[in-house]
Amino acid sequence: DAKTTQPPSMDCAEGRAANLPCNHSTISGNEYVYWYRQIHSQGPQYIIHGLKNNETNEMASLIITEDRKSSTLILPHATLRDTAVYYCIVRPPWGNKLVFGAGTILRVKS
Amino acid sequence: DAGVTQSPTHLIKTRGQQVTLRCSPISGHKSVSWYQQVLGQGPQFIFQYYEKEERGRGNFPDRFSARQFPNYSSELNVNALLLGDSALYLCASSLITRTLQNTGELFFGEGSRLTVL
Repeated sequence: DAKTTQPPSMDCAEGRAANLPCNHSTISGNEYVYWYRQIHSQGPQYIIHGLKNNETNEMASLIITEDRKSSTLILPHATLRDTAVYYCIVRPPWGNKLVFGAGTILRVKS
Repeated sequence: DAGVTQSPTHLIKTRGQQVTLRCSPISGHKSVSWYQQVLGQGPQFIFQYYEKEERGRGNFPDRFSARQFPNYSSELNVNALLLGDSALYLCASSLITRTLQNTGELFFGEGSRLTVL
């Protein structure tokens, strides 16, 4: 299973962009990068995923480096409700085995 | 549309007892997976079921078992409970092809919090 490395915690001011980095240097060519977040005591919530190209949806943007060894999740205008644990996951195209690491605790402060 | 629903939301058991947790996937989702999340850690994969068959298993003892019903709902059973089984048990459903190729994200329920005393 490809592993990911994330900083244990980050702080962000409300209204500013939150940039969450992730290293996945052992990612295989057909594996996707997925981001989930988990707000206290709730189930993980899907945010975004990508293979090679940068992706954007209503929640966030995902920037994947050209060599695919790292990526950055961007929350463009963080709010207090974005305070959560953010998980970066490398997912093969088959099966539902997601390997969660410890994630990054993002604290958005007013 | 209803999301993934799990029951019960909370339960307390004693060591040695058995527990059954239930999950209803999103309508149209045929694949169900179970995860265990111990306090302070990320979720760990236990099982994946598709079309009533086990299609993946994590590193968990045989005390853990599951099944999927014709309506694609699922049950997770844990026998001979240990204190270390105290955790949030998460169910997730997804769209998936017959070759188990993913077609989208995994949707998680809110979980069943099990406390073993």
